[in-house]
Amino acid sequence: AQTVTQSQPEMSVQEAETVTLSCTYDTSENNYYLFWYKQPPSRQMILVIRQEAYKQQNATENRFSVNFQKAAKSFSLKISDSQLGDTAMYFCAFSTSYGKLTFGQGTILTVHP
Amino acid sequence: EAGVAQSPRYKIIEKRQSVAFWCNPISGHATLYWYQQILGQGPKLLIQFQNNGVVDDSQLPKDRFSAERLKGVDSTLKIQPAKLEDSAVYLCASSLEEETRDGYTFGSGTRLTVV
Repeated sequence: AQTVTQSQPEMSVQEAETVTLSCTYDTSENNYYLFWYKQPPSRQMILVIRQEAYKQQNATENRFSVNFQKAAKSFSLKISDSQLGDTAMYFCAFSTSYGKLTFGQGTILTVHP
Repeated sequence: EAGVAQSPRYKIIEKRQSVAFWCNPISGHATLYWYQQILGQGPKLLIQFQNNGVVDDSQLPKDRFSAERLKGVDSTLKIQPAKLEDSAVYLCASSLEEETRDGYTFGSGTRLTVV
């Protein structure tokens, strides 16, 4: 069974600064996908960024980037130039090629003006 | 394209009552998922449909929960009878194919409060 662990229940950052959210996972699979989702108070899960395990290059989407360490089973999210709209719950999630997403416990991120 | 639609947005019921949630996935999406998200936790899969067939319902409490996806489009999730611990947000998601490499598109969820 796969497990996803987010060890930071809450994080805060000043506007325009950089913050890193941590995630570790456990799996015996070799091919899988990792995701970061953002959940604002509206409750809708919004895909932030994804990473294929077979790709060594870290994924980047504008201000969001990941540090994927396959051997260490680590998948952290870096948010640069933090904006007030980034305030939300962030979930790390794992899936194999077919089937369900397994989510971590979430990290509440607050961006302060 | 229109997103995943869910209704109702909120529901408050007494324990032992029944409740139903509705989900309309993105048009053409073959795979549909229901997740339960208890406050302060990550979502947990309840059931996965591929068209109108069940792929995974191993985490669905079948003594009280049921779900169907008639004609492979809309889906309903029912709880009967409800318990206090069923208070949660119920999220529906859909994807074009069974492969999840692109992640899913989620609806805004139904917040259920059982009193």
